[in-house]
Amino acid sequence: SQVLTQPPSVSVAPGQTARISCGGHKIGSESVHWYQQKPGQAPMLVIYDDDDRPSGVPERFSGSNSGNTATLTISGVEAGDEADYYCQIWHTVGDHVSFGGGTKLNVL
Amino acid sequence: QVQMVQSGAEVKKPGASVKVSCTASGYTFSNYYMHWVRQAPGQGLEWVGIINPSGTRTNYAQKFEGRVTMTRDTSTSTVYMELSKLRSDDTAVYYCAREGGRARAVFDLWGQGTPVTVSS
Repeated sequence: SQVLTQPPSVSVAPGQTARISCGGHKIGSESVHWYQQKPGQAPMLVIYDDDDRPSGVPERFSGSNSGNTATLTISGVEAGDEADYYCQIWHTVGDHVSFGGGTKLNVL
Repeated sequence: QVQMVQSGAEVKKPGASVKVSCTASGYTFSNYYMHWVRQAPGQGLEWVGIINPSGTRTNYAQKFEGRVTMTRDTSTSTVYMELSKLRSDDTAVYYCAREGGRARAVFDLWGQGTPVTVSS
């Protein structure tokens, strides 16, 4: 099944913009979802269907998806955004889910 | 209040089985697909499988085929995941996740997680 590749970590200063990539063959043709997970907590949906935001998620979180890369963008990063972020897709052939390996966002 | 509450932590010996439950409240349980996802210590998320709203169809990740069984009970709004022939590398936190319907496999609601430890 599709392998989704994420950088192990991304570091950014408060107030700056963080971009977390999720690479996969022709991922642009898939619907990508993103989750935030803080230590000791269950994951939480922050972006679905490439670029839609659930209610309650700040507008600072946005997503894009094209070609072989999907990207989660966090603008005006805050200390509270420090967490692990995972991308995820659904495979219609075989009816199964793939997660990326996760990216730890460090807020300097 | 919309939530899913999972059963408590489990400690099992290698070769044994474990059955984890996830009870939903605050929404119409029978309308939603349910998934199970696990996370080994210090590792990423790993999908285990899916059960359809009526409980008549399941699909499991290939690595768990033959060892996992997912069921659900509409009368108690509970979904179950049983994993057999446990090994030490099955030690993980197991989460139930609701597929929210916005798009396929969007997990909009998660249980709090059930730690399962496999140790002799």
